[in-house]
Amino acid sequence: EAQVTQNPRYLITVTGKKLTVTCSQNMNHEYMSWYRQDPGLGLRQIYYSMNVEVTDKGDVPEGYKVSRKEKRNFPLILESPSPNQTSLYFCASKGLAGGRAYEQYFGPGTRLTVT
Amino acid sequence: AQKITQTQPGMFVQEKEAVTLDCTYDTSDPSYGLFWYKQPSSGEMIFLIYQGSYDQQNATEGRYSLNFQKARKSANLVISASQLGDSAMYFCAMREGPANAGKSTFGDGTTLTVKP
Repeated sequence: EAQVTQNPRYLITVTGKKLTVTCSQNMNHEYMSWYRQDPGLGLRQIYYSMNVEVTDKGDVPEGYKVSRKEKRNFPLILESPSPNQTSLYFCASKGLAGGRAYEQYFGPGTRLTVT
Repeated sequence: AQKITQTQPGMFVQEKEAVTLDCTYDTSDPSYGLFWYKQPSSGEMIFLIYQGSYDQQNATEGRYSLNFQKARKSANLVISASQLGDSAMYFCAMREGPANAGKSTFGDGTTLTVKP
């Protein structure tokens, strides 16, 4: 089954404790992206990647790191989480060629709480 | 900088009627894609419809159609024959660049409630 998986789905942590949210896709997609969603707002892009070893900042990259060492994985790293990073996080992927290359597939979301 | 504006925080529609959700955008990139997503209360993001900046015809996907007016920079979503299951949050989004592989921007969404 074609899918984007994220782990963990739920996480409660404390300020300053480094954490990684993993994202993996099994569709051989080149493009991957991370978003955060806060109550009453749309998704805001954190980082995106057009291929292995290529990453670019979205609108809200501060406090986050990403890496793209393999095509299927795009982990989101919070080196020193703060309460303002409490949010719902989505990973997504899409291909760059083919009939429906415009369609972005979303993971189920990771709900992060930083206390 | 790219921007998406959805001016209707909430909308109501009677079951079986059509409804239009508004979206305006701003970008300086000549190559971009416009998207609509549905987010039900369960939280997942569901792709509905796509319109490319160079597409001459308005996109349609089943009961969904996108009214694309490029000169006015608007990309309104039309849902025909509304169903109770259409009650959800709807987001308009844009992605810039060739192959829509650049930066993405989402609007703040419109909550649609379908009344029986």
